[in-house]
Amino acid sequence: EAGVAQSPRYKIIEKRQSVAFWCNPISGHATLYWYQQILGQGPKLLIQFQNNGVVDDSQLPKDRFSAERLKGVDSTLKIQPAKLEDSAVYLCASSNGTSGRGGVDEQFFGPGTRLTVL
Amino acid sequence: AQSVTQPDIHITVSEGASLELRCNYSYGATPYLFWYVQSPGQGLQLLLKYFSGDTLVQGIKGFEAEFKRSQSSFNLRKPSVHWSDAAEYFCAVGVVSGYSTLTFGKGTMLLVSP
Repeated sequence: EAGVAQSPRYKIIEKRQSVAFWCNPISGHATLYWYQQILGQGPKLLIQFQNNGVVDDSQLPKDRFSAERLKGVDSTLKIQPAKLEDSAVYLCASSNGTSGRGGVDEQFFGPGTRLTVL
Repeated sequence: AQSVTQPDIHITVSEGASLELRCNYSYGATPYLFWYVQSPGQGLQLLLKYFSGDTLVQGIKGFEAEFKRSQSSFNLRKPSVHWSDAAEYFCAVGVVSGYSTLTFGKGTMLLVSP
């Protein structure tokens, strides 16, 4: 079974530029997550999709970050314009939703995209 | 709101020695608890999880964790550490409020000395 795919693996941009990250979840996984992991910290959830609908984007800085999940499969996370403090690893994860509404699913993580903003 | 504390930022263990990584959580109800490991340049891999039942949970790579409700803890243990265990370890608490989410601790970096 193929894992969660992310691209690019590394990206260096200057502040005020735009950047986009792509994620392809495990086939059949209905739930997709984007996390931001700043150096020395644990992953912080930015946005969570159930199929192609957003269920939680409370920690997404919506003035500069946006995300979409077309057709309930692939997803793109965009930052426009980037700030120095956006330097981090952006992790995508997916889960299959088998635990139902009363449970917590195991999340499967991709390798991440390391973003450096200069 | 839920939270996770991992009090140790770095831990160094000799190869072959035992390991215990600490995790304390804060959550009003029975939590779902997870331990993930992250090797350099890699995503997070699930080591083990606790939902209910037996409070001692076995995971992959010889790891185990014990849920202690009275101490709000979920410490990770391994009886004999291998050099390949050097990585960063994250404890997480999962909650359900219409949908499920994970909240991670800041992680503990494990260094293994020869």
